[in-house]
Amino acid sequence: DSGVTQTPKHLITATGQRVTLRCSPRSGDLSVYWYQQSLDQGLQFLIQYYNGEERAKGNILERFSAQQFPDLHSELNLSSLELGDSALYFCASSPYLLGGGYTFGSGTRLTVV
Amino acid sequence: AQTVTQSQPEMSVQEAETVTLSCTYDTSESDYYLFWYKQPPSRQMILVIRQEAYKQQNATENRFSVNFQKAAKSFSLKISDSQLGDAAMYFCARAPDMRFGAGTRLTVKP
Repeated sequence: DSGVTQTPKHLITATGQRVTLRCSPRSGDLSVYWYQQSLDQGLQFLIQYYNGEERAKGNILERFSAQQFPDLHSELNLSSLELGDSALYFCASSPYLLGGGYTFGSGTRLTVV
Repeated sequence: AQTVTQSQPEMSVQEAETVTLSCTYDTSESDYYLFWYKQPPSRQMILVIRQEAYKQQNATENRFSVNFQKAAKSFSLKISDSQLGDAAMYFCARAPDMRFGAGTRLTVKP
C-alpha cells in the first residue's frame, strides 16, 4: 500500500457519460498530480494541484476538469466520454510543490464502451 | 516542447547480468530532479531511484544506480545482478514538470 488511495479501481461506462475519479493523497502530501496512461503507452501528465490550487496543466482535454478540496483529496471529472478516453488514470502525491519524490496510487482503469 | 527520450523500446538481459537503460532529456531549468520508475505487470508505478540535478554524485539504491551526465542531459539506469522480478516497464521522468519518457520494456531471461 503506497498510501495514495484511488477509487474506484475499475469503471465501465458508456460513451457520452460523465465520471468522477477520486484520489486521497498520502498523509502530509500537499501536491496531487493526475496522469493518463493508455494501453501500452507512457504517462501523459494532465494536471497538478498544490494545497488546493491548480499549479500546472499538461495535456488535459477541455472535457476533463479537476479540483483539490480543503482536506487535500482530489477529484478528476471526465465528461462527454469517448472510446479513446479508455485508459488507466493515475494519481500521484508529493509533499512538495516541485521536485521531491512522487508516490503513485494503484490507478483507476476506465473503460468506455 | 521539452522532452524526455528513452531510445530503447525494449531491452533484454540474462538473469544475474547487468543492463543499462538510457534516458536523455532537455530542460531550461537550473534546478530539477530526475527519476526512474518501474511498472510491473500489475501496472503499479514504483519509484526506483531519484537524482537531484545539483548533486554531482550519482544516486544508488542497492542494485540500481544511475549515470547522470548533466552537461549531456543524460540519465541512464544501471541494474546489476538482474533478477526475474526486475522484468517491467521502466520510465524515466523529469521534475518539476513531471514529464515521462515513453518507457523501456525490460525482459529478464532465466
